[in-house]
Amino acid sequence: QKEVEQNSGPLSVPEGAIASLNCTYSDRVSQSFFWYRQYSGKSPELIMSIYSNGDKEDGRFTAQLNKASQYVSLLIRDSQPSDSATYLCAVNIRGKLIFGQGTELSVKP
Amino acid sequence: GAVVSQHPSWVICKSGTSVKIECRSLDFQATTMFWYRQFPKQSLMLMATSNEGSKATYEQGVEKDKFLINHASLTLSTLTVTSAHPEDSSFYICSARDFTSQTGGWGYTFGSGTRLTVV
Repeated sequence: QKEVEQNSGPLSVPEGAIASLNCTYSDRVSQSFFWYRQYSGKSPELIMSIYSNGDKEDGRFTAQLNKASQYVSLLIRDSQPSDSATYLCAVNIRGKLIFGQGTELSVKP
Repeated sequence: GAVVSQHPSWVICKSGTSVKIECRSLDFQATTMFWYRQFPKQSLMLMATSNEGSKATYEQGVEKDKFLINHASLTLSTLTVTSAHPEDSSFYICSARDFTSQTGGWGYTFGSGTRLTVV
């Protein structure tokens, strides 16, 4: 079992729709979770971090964490074509940031 | 906010030569830095953890004699790819860890990456 797993996609949504990205992790003691966005050929850029169970909202983005289910998700509301990128889930596992394989999102105008 | 500078942004080298990549934390001290490698259409794979003043810790399957890591100061870690071969061509990204008082937890700031092409 991989330490961090994501659906690889690609995920395609129409402009204005909600994009839902999912991630599961294997280490029960993990305490901090991150969502990054990566454009082709560029370094990842942080979208959000989440540490507590529940929802955390920042603009059009909402991160959801359920530690009991070892599940973290990212919702993007009112998706825009500029949101088209690869979204990486990352989990702090014993001090190291481990990434999932990423989900490619395509927002169609 | 925390800034990490990585140089060079791209490099082309001949097979058999060595290449050094630098990662600097500009406005904070980083006792721990990380080096990742990313092949096309794949995610970031952690190569090693670089600790200031001590030996790096390598992930399983990463050759420590090929990927030399030096973390001699609190703001600089270097990765040297020795005797590079075409299969080492990849996107190398560093990350520095710092404690963020805003969240009360660790934050990870990434460099801009280095595209290595070995010909």
